[in-house]
Formats: sequence, structure tokens, C-alpha cells
Amino acid sequence: DAGITQSPRHKVTETGTPVTLRCHQTENHRYMYWYRQDPGHGLRLIHYSYGVKDTDKGEVSDGYSVSRSKTEDFLLTLESATSSQTSVYFCAISESNQSQFFGPGTRLTVL
Amino acid sequence: KNEVEQSPQNLTAQEGEFITINCSYSVGISALHWLQQHPGGGIVSLFMLSSGKKKHGRLIATINIQEKHSSLHITASHPRDSAVYICAMNYGGSQGNLIFGKGTKLSVKP
Repeated sequence: DAGITQSPRHKVTETGTPVTLRCHQTENHRYMYWYRQDPGHGLRLIHYSYGVKDTDKGEVSDGYSVSRSKTEDFLLTLESATSSQTSVYFCAISESNQSQFFGPGTRLTVL
Repeated sequence: KNEVEQSPQNLTAQEGEFITINCSYSVGISALHWLQQHPGGGIVSLFMLSSGKKKHGRLIATINIQEKHSSLHITASHPRDSAVYICAMNYGGSQGNLIFGKGTKLSVKP
């Protein structure tokens, strides 16, 4: 299995608080992705990175920001969490034109 | 709008049956992915293909580019195949242009 971890695995927070989720890889893959998964929807891309300090928006980027200061870490930040951001968040990694490897997911609840 | 449609949404089979899950997409693609999500939530990539057919063990994935259609087949199904199978299309030449279907929930009964 690809070396990809997410932290925390579970988090409960209150509306209006900032939240940062971390994705860490040991595979030195170029691409990293953040998705959210909600009932009734497929996985939806939030942001992705194609290199250190290189990121781009996905389908549902509003309310989220990301940073990638080194190859192995990709951070997802909710500046002011809202209840609509309650979801399961998955990180994934890949090389160019290759399959993605997914992390175990983070379950976030915003009260 | 770029879309991925999967059918059926839910599928129940008896152990040993041959299973087919279908995926249709709306635009030209650079690649199509099949993923498996286990009951515990973990997601595993099964196939990435842009033409023809790929096989891994009892799983076979095919794609027809002209018809914008892909199928995932499971031969000699087993209860451990019970999972959600997700199709996703990569379009526009960018790694970030990935649209996922809503998944097909498969339950294989012993």
C-alpha cells in the first residue's frame, strides 16, 4: 500500500472555528488531492497540487484553502467552518497519468 | 455539464454469479478510473484505462471510447467483493479534471 496518512482521523468542531487537515505521504508522488464525500454525491475534488507551492482549485473549492510547502505534506484549511462542511475528507496521491492512492479519510463534524 | 452516470445504483448477487457494473460519461476523456470503496470506508484504485480492456484476477474493465461507456465485470463473485464500486472520468488533459460517479453498491450473498 502507498504510504499516505491523514490526521486527524476524526474531528468535531464548532461553526466559525478554523480547522486544518493534514495529508502526509512517503511516496514522493508529485500530485496530491483533497476530496470530500457526501451522501448522494460522488467524491468531489476540492483542491489539488501538482508540485510544491503549485495548487489549483477543484469543483468545490469555496470555503477551503490549501498549502503545500514540501512534497510530502498537503494541508487543507477551513478558515471558518460551517455545518455544510461536515463531510468525510479524503486525500489522494498520484504520479502523472497514473492511478491515485487514497488515504484513510477524515470524518469532520461541524456543529 | 460533465457527468458520469453509473448503473445500477444497487446490486445484489449470489455468490458465484457474473456481475457487470456500467459507467457512461458525457465528454471525451483522457482516462477512466474504477475504484472500490470497502464497507469500512477505505478506497482502492482498481483500474485506470483509456482504451480496450484490462484484467486483474477476477476483475475485468472494458471501455468503448466511441460510445463513451465502460463496464466493470466480476467473475465468480464472492461475498468479499461486497463494496461500492466507483467510476471516474479524467477529462481535459489535466490531472485535476476528475469527475466521479455516485457509485454502485454491490452485495454478494453466500
